[in-house]
Amino acid sequence: DIQMTQSPSSLSASVGDRVTITCRASQSISSYLNWYQQKPGKAPKLLIYAASSLQSGVPSRFSGSGSGTDFTLTISSLQPEDFATYYCQQSYSTPRTFGQGTRLEIK
Amino acid sequence: QVQLVQSGAEVKKPGASVKVSCKASGYTFTGYYMHWVRQAPGQGLEWMGWINPNSGGTNYAQKFQGRVTMTRDTSISTAYMELSRLRSDDTAVYYCARGTEGAAAAHYMDVWGKGTTVTVSS
Repeated sequence: DIQMTQSPSSLSASVGDRVTITCRASQSISSYLNWYQQKPGKAPKLLIYAASSLQSGVPSRFSGSGSGTDFTLTISSLQPEDFATYYCQQSYSTPRTFGQGTRLEIK
Repeated sequence: QVQLVQSGAEVKKPGASVKVSCKASGYTFTGYYMHWVRQAPGQGLEWMGWINPNSGGTNYAQKFQGRVTMTRDTSISTAYMELSRLRSDDTAVYYCARGTEGAAAAHYMDVWGKGTTVTVSS
């Protein structure tokens, strides 16, 4: 199975900050990497697919980059509604696997 | 609009089975895979498997092999996930999610149900 490791596990930031979350795969997954946002009590929401493609309707302050084993999710200017937990997920092979999550909290 | 509507919360005893449904609307049901993902309280997301509604073919995570069965009824655009021999650590929210494996080169889960809470307790 491909292991996905996110860092940091938690992060405190302020509105307006630029934030970067990192995801590392245990083997190369090309660009088969997706990012999801989850708020408490809600289902995950797709933000980025194929490492860098922005899902329709997602604000442009979200961006993704990387290929191979190292990937990043960047939020250019944090908004109050962005405080949530973020997960990366590989779709290179089965079983599909998720990172452990990064909890983004208000400083 | 595209949506997935899941069945209601369940409370089961250890050793029992649970069957969760996921009704799709707003798109061609057989054109996309259906994934099942669960989340234990306070924990992360765990992929359980998928079903190809067109063929009925399935792919289960090794962890759930022998305990999980994913089926579909194309006449009512509904997917099902049945988990047997329930244990207390199966207590979780179970999500269905539409997968693009059948429809695009990039593979991702773009539409999610609201989740079904399954509680396993004696």
